Order: sequence, then structure tokens, then C-alpha cells
Amino acid sequence: EPEVTQTPSHQVTQMGQEVILRCVPISNHLYFYWYRQILGQKVEFLVSFYNNEISEKSEIFDDQFSVERPDGSNFTLKIRSTKLEDSAMYFCASSERLRQEAFFGQGTRLTVV
Amino acid sequence: TQLLEQSPQFLSIQEGENLTVYCNSSSVFSSLQWYRQEPGEGPVLLVTVVTGGEVKKLKRLTFQFGDARKDSSLHITAAQPGDTGLYLCAGARSGNTPLVFGKGTRLSVIA
Repeated sequence: EPEVTQTPSHQVTQMGQEVILRCVPISNHLYFYWYRQILGQKVEFLVSFYNNEISEKSEIFDDQFSVERPDGSNFTLKIRSTKLEDSAMYFCASSERLRQEAFFGQGTRLTVV
Repeated sequence: TQLLEQSPQFLSIQEGENLTVYCNSSSVFSSLQWYRQEPGEGPVLLVTVVTGGEVKKLKRLTFQFGDARKDSSLHITAAQPGDTGLYLCAGARSGNTPLVFGKGTRLSVIA
């Protein structure tokens, strides 16, 4: 069964460092998303991406964040200068164009120290 | 403001009991999904409902979308310890808007 895969599963980084979280969405999906979940809190939308550009972003997704689809399979989230409060599980998801069923990856646990 | 309110927040029941959890909003959704999330893992899609009044069954799980498409419920019959987890509802308000999640109901089924 097709699935969304994310790497790494766990990333520890020093405050102020840049991190890149990687995702391989389901191959025939056209919409891609990043969500985050701070420990014990709800899943929050960060950004959606379609046709090689951001289609929507939340207020969490500030200038420190960027997304890219560098090739036909990978979808990345970059945090330019990490802060302690960026520590969270980051989930990538993808969906087919006209349906809102989003399939999630296993997540990357980002710990900023 | 919470766009999607889930209740109860926590639920602990004995194996074999039935339960219902709720997802409510003042907004209309074009579709609503239910997910289950295990600790340290991503949400796993259980079902999508799109039509007001729609009922979907997945083995012992019954999902219902309200007639006005503002609320949904998940009923589990004869709960088992394997049903333990965080149940999340998520809604899309229109075709291309991102999913908004509720805070979830944490279910614990005790053997």
C-alpha cells in the first residue's frame, strides 16, 4: 500500500541551526502539506503546496520556514534558524487533487536544544 | 477559538463496552475525516464523510456526518484494547482549503 515516508525520524539540533525535514509523498498525489504537533497539543497546519508553489500557509509558517520540491519525488521543509519552541513532531501529508483525504507520514520528531 | 470541538477529551472504558465520541463545529465542512493516532506516530486515516447524514461503517466503528455537515460522531461497538489511541477529527471547509484538526479524544480500553 502506498505511503508517505519521512526522514529522519528524529532530529536533534542546536538552537539557531538550520534543519531540513524530508518527505516522499504518495506518487500520484498532487497536494502536499506540512503539519506540526507540539507534544500534547493538537495537529496544526503549516503549509500546503500544489503545482510547485505554496497554495496556503498558516501564521505559524513565518519567514524562518520554507518548502521546496527539489525533484519529482521529495518535498522538504526547511527551518532556517531553529528556536526552542520549534521542537515538535512534524508531519508531512499528501492528497489527491480533488479529495481532501490526507495521508500522513510517520513524522519527524525535531528537538531543539 | 476552536473550530472543531471534540468530546470527551478523555475516555476510559472496559473491554466490551460501547462508546461514542463527538466532533462539533459551528462551521460547515465540505468533508470531514476521522484519524487515529498512536503515540509517536502520524495520524492514520480511518474514514472520510462528505454527504450530510452519511453513515459509514468500518467493522465495529460507525461514523456519522451530521445533516448540516457541521458535526460528526464515531461510535465503537464492543471496544477492544486494540482500539486504544487518540481519535482525531479533521475538516476541510471547502475544496482546496487545508484540514483543520480537533484536539482529539484519547481513548483507553482496559482489558
